[in-house]
Amino acid sequence: EAGVVQSPRYKIIEKKQPVAFWCNPISGHNTLYWYLQNLGQGPELLIRYENEEAVDDSQLPKDRFSAERLKGVDSTLKIQPAELGDSAVYLCASSLGQGQNQETQYFGPGTRLLVL
Amino acid sequence: DQQVKQNSPSLSVQEGRISILNCDYTNSMFDYFLWYKKYPAEGPTFLISISSIKDKNEDGRFTVFLNKSAKHLSLHIVPSQPGDSAVYFCAASGGSNYKLTFGKGTLLTVNP
Repeated sequence: EAGVVQSPRYKIIEKKQPVAFWCNPISGHNTLYWYLQNLGQGPELLIRYENEEAVDDSQLPKDRFSAERLKGVDSTLKIQPAELGDSAVYLCASSLGQGQNQETQYFGPGTRLLVL
Repeated sequence: DQQVKQNSPSLSVQEGRISILNCDYTNSMFDYFLWYKKYPAEGPTFLISISSIKDKNEDGRFTVFLNKSAKHLSLHIVPSQPGDSAVYFCAASGGSNYKLTFGKGTLLTVNP
């Protein structure tokens, strides 16, 4: 069974440029998460989708970040414009059900973003 | 306010010995706890979990112990192998909140 797929794996951009990350969750997983991981820290949730609905985006900086999950499968996370402080690893995760608190989340390899 | 704490940034162990990684939490609503392992340039890989209705869960060389009164859990790896060298994250969720709250991680090095 394929795991969570993310692309690109690495991205280097100049500040003020836009950038987009793509995620394909594990087949059959209804819930999809985007996390941000800064160096030396654990992942922190940005947004959670149940199918195509964003059910929690309270931690997403909406002035520059946006996300979508059309058709309830793949998802895209966008930053426009990127700032130096956005340099981090962006992780996508998925879980089987409807975000029940005792579900296991499975992570993709992440996209490592460097903003110059 | 860090709700999940891993107070040891690093741990070094000899191959074949036991590795014990510790995690403390402050939120009494947490009722599901997970350990993830992370190699460099990879995403976290799920290792083992425990529900608050249990105090121990075992999977091969990995055992997680939960002490609810102390709000403490630990991951035991026996015997430790060089391939276990990685960063280990403790995570928790609970109540009506699906969200995983992670600790900062502990770098385990298993020396041959």
